[in-house]
Amino acid sequence: KAGVTQTPRYLIKTRGQQVTLSCSPISGHRSVSWYQQTPGQGLQFLFEYFSETQRNKGNFPGRFSGRQFSNSRSEMNVSTLELGDSALYLCASSSEVRGLEAFFGQGTRLTVV
Amino acid sequence: KNQVEQSPQSLIILEGKNCTLQCNYTVSPFSNLRWYKQDTGRGPVSLTIMTFSENTKSNGRYTATLDADTKQSSLHITASQLSDSASYICVVTVTSGTYKYIFGTGTRLKVLA
Repeated sequence: KAGVTQTPRYLIKTRGQQVTLSCSPISGHRSVSWYQQTPGQGLQFLFEYFSETQRNKGNFPGRFSGRQFSNSRSEMNVSTLELGDSALYLCASSSEVRGLEAFFGQGTRLTVV
Repeated sequence: KNQVEQSPQSLIILEGKNCTLQCNYTVSPFSNLRWYKQDTGRGPVSLTIMTFSENTKSNGRYTATLDADTKQSSLHITASQLSDSASYICVVTVTSGTYKYIFGTGTRLKVLA
């Protein structure tokens, strides 16, 4: 079974630009969550999508948005990038059984210059 | 406020030695607790998961314990190996209608030859 795939692995953007990250969950998993990881803050929950609907949302500004497609693939968008958005963005998928293990992708390392 | 605190923040041990990582949580309502291992630059990988009624769970050289009364968990690593060098993250699942993961900031373990 293929794991969670995130693309791209690395990305460099300049302040003010916008970026879109992609996540393909494990086949059969309908829940996709996104996290931001920085050295000082650890893993911060961004949002979770289930069957194309946002089910949970963390405390991030509206510049961070996401969506999920009918095939469960998900995208995360960050607009008007700031230097502080530099981080490892992780995506995790799980089955619809709540509380089951979240399988993480390798992450996208975003650097904003 | 739902919180997960881990200690120590970082730890250096010699290969072959044992170590114990701590996780204290103030979370309600509690569903389960997981320990993840995260190698540098990679996504976290689940080591163990424990529900309210479980006291201990092992995965090879990793043994996790849970005391639901004191809201404490520990991860014990036996006969450490160089490949154990990683960050170890404690994650508690909260269920209240929907579910949410509360992440600790992790313990960074370095195993030296």
